[in-house]
Amino acid sequence: NAGVTQTPKFQVLKTGQSMTLQCAQDMNHNSMYWYRQDPGMGLRLIYYSASEGTTDKGEVPNGYNVSRLNKREFSLRLESAAPSQTSVYFCASSEWVDSNYEQYFGPGTRLTVT
Amino acid sequence: AQKITQTQPGMFVQEKEAVTLDCTYDTSDQSYGLFWYKQPSSGEMIFLIYQGSYDEQNATEGRYSLNFQKARKSANLVISASQLGDSAMYFCAMREGPNAGGTSYGKLTFGQGTILTVHP
Repeated sequence: NAGVTQTPKFQVLKTGQSMTLQCAQDMNHNSMYWYRQDPGMGLRLIYYSASEGTTDKGEVPNGYNVSRLNKREFSLRLESAAPSQTSVYFCASSEWVDSNYEQYFGPGTRLTVT
Repeated sequence: AQKITQTQPGMFVQEKEAVTLDCTYDTSDQSYGLFWYKQPSSGEMIFLIYQGSYDEQNATEGRYSLNFQKARKSANLVISASQLGDSAMYFCAMREGPNAGGTSYGKLTFGQGTILTVHP
């Protein structure tokens, strides 16, 4: 049981390059999320997927696209990277389990755009 | 308007003592949830404790307890018997809104965080 996994762990891009961040969870959770964390700040929601087949914008969606490939996988794509997208990206998944709510995060991807 | 406020940028505590990390929130929803996460220097987000708005008792998980005061809109984290390994950044977060058809919309709003340092 790996929980939430993310690849890659680190990435350096040049301005204008594109890349896809991968996320997978093995907890059978319906909902998945992408957050970014900038230095000295809390996490901010980029996009989320309440269930398989649906995606919606969060607080800071500009410059990103997402794909909910199946129940397990939720990817985040940067089409044309900008220095302002230098950040740590976290994927998360959540579900109600036996009347308890649980939300778990992946280990994060540290992205630098030069 | 800021929905989650953590007013303590940094806190210090002696090993084995208790410490309270403050969190206040703002919402007009009746159904919401409050979380605390720990982020050590390694960067991962570790779930600590969850309190639902309709839960009548304060949540507890081992050495962690959440002091939930609904009327004051506060959800302070209490760590008892602090350990050196508790040194980390701590985030308070809120999930707003009800479930819909059994699917949870767990969009979280985070506070700015509190850095806790435990001294030996």
